[in-house]
Amino acid sequence: DAKTTQPTSMDCAEGRAANLPCNHSTISGNEYVYWYRQIHSQGPQYIIHGLKNNETNEMASLIITEDRKSSTLILPHATLRDTAVYYCIVAKTSYDKVIFGPGTSLSVIP
Amino acid sequence: GAVVSQHPSWVICKSGTSVKIECRSLDFQATTMFWYRQFPKQSLMLMATSNEGSKATYEQGVEKDKFLINHASLTLSTLTVTSAHPEDSSFYICSAETGGANTGELFFGEGSRLTVL
Repeated sequence: DAKTTQPTSMDCAEGRAANLPCNHSTISGNEYVYWYRQIHSQGPQYIIHGLKNNETNEMASLIITEDRKSSTLILPHATLRDTAVYYCIVAKTSYDKVIFGPGTSLSVIP
Repeated sequence: GAVVSQHPSWVICKSGTSVKIECRSLDFQATTMFWYRQFPKQSLMLMATSNEGSKATYEQGVEKDKFLINHASLTLSTLTVTSAHPEDSSFYICSAETGGANTGELFFGEGSRLTVL
């Protein structure tokens, strides 16, 4: 079973920040938090990952709480092309088998 | 980033035939590849872990004689759906890890859509 829980769906206005929450209360000390997204009928795309520090790249920011039991993916300026299902996953490394939960279906609205 | 390619991207076959799907890592070597299946409006379900030069490890409930996995080289893993039936119609996706220094990300193929008539 997936080790994370996410809201089923969210809406975000185009141009605004999209904040996607994820709970992972049973995360262990050596597990990373990974975020992927899947646009309809395509393979998943890596977005970002982190262990305990906040991370930022050209796509998004990842905010991990101090107790590591939850995190938030932030898309700073959502566009229509960001409409996708976003998956939050915990795993030791990319060598670990990755179990996907239902994810959050994000709809960016014009 | 690293590229993983699947072929074919879609295939239609008759019931009872076998279908082979290829997963290639184009610019890196992948010791381990993963195969997933995804039904409409559902999440990805891990089917098996494919290790180069050894037998695949199947998840519970996945028939290894039905879904044959071969990982004969560091850049190619194949999934063969044997004696396909309409219930095998699905979106099959592979992923690969780059090995060596762990970049932390998994690379996914574009997916292969199988329709069994």
